Amino acid sequence: EAQVTQNPRYLITVTGKKLTVTCSQNMNHEYMSWYRQDPGLGLRQIYYSMNVEVTDKGDVPEGYKVSRKEKRNFPLILESPSPNQTSLYFCASSLGGPGAGNTIYFGEGSWLTVV
Amino acid sequence: GQNIDQPTEMTATEGAIVQINCTYQTSGFNGLFWYQQHAGEAPTFLSYNVLDGLEEKGRFSSFLSRSKGYSYLLLKELQMKDSASYLCAPGEYKLSFGAGTTVTVRA
Repeated sequence: EAQVTQNPRYLITVTGKKLTVTCSQNMNHEYMSWYRQDPGLGLRQIYYSMNVEVTDKGDVPEGYKVSRKEKRNFPLILESPSPNQTSLYFCASSLGGPGAGNTIYFGEGSWLTVV
Repeated sequence: GQNIDQPTEMTATEGAIVQINCTYQTSGFNGLFWYQQHAGEAPTFLSYNVLDGLEEKGRFSSFLSRSKGYSYLLLKELQMKDSASYLCAPGEYKLSFGAGTTVTVRA
């Protein structure tokens, strides 16, 4: 089954404790991306990757890191989480860039709470 | 960057028609996506317009005017299950979404 899988789905953590949210897709997609969703602000792009070893900042990259060492994986790293990073996070992938009309497929979301 | 504007909320009756407007300003543009998102779930693809005009897909239609930076999503014969948020997203490398329009369908 074609899917985007992210883990953990739910996490409560403390300020400053490094965490990684993993994302994996099994569709051989080149494009992967991370979003956060907050009430009233919609989906905001954090980072995206056009291919292996190619990553770029989205609209809200501060406080986050990503890596793309393999095509299927695109982990999101919070080196020192803060309460303002409490949010619902979505990983997404598509065959190519969205500018070419490629459908974006989303993971189920990760609810992250930083206390 | 991109500025995307769509109404926050709309309410309609089962069986009715609702039109969700979206205006955008973007530095690069290839086409425009519409996604549907039920509360607490991932967004799902509805449509993609790259040419001006109306594209129809069953009960859902989407319109694009590139020169005006304007799109709309038309939902016909509304059903209760259509209660959701509808997200407008101009497509380029940095795919940004509008805040979404929450549609509530009432019996």
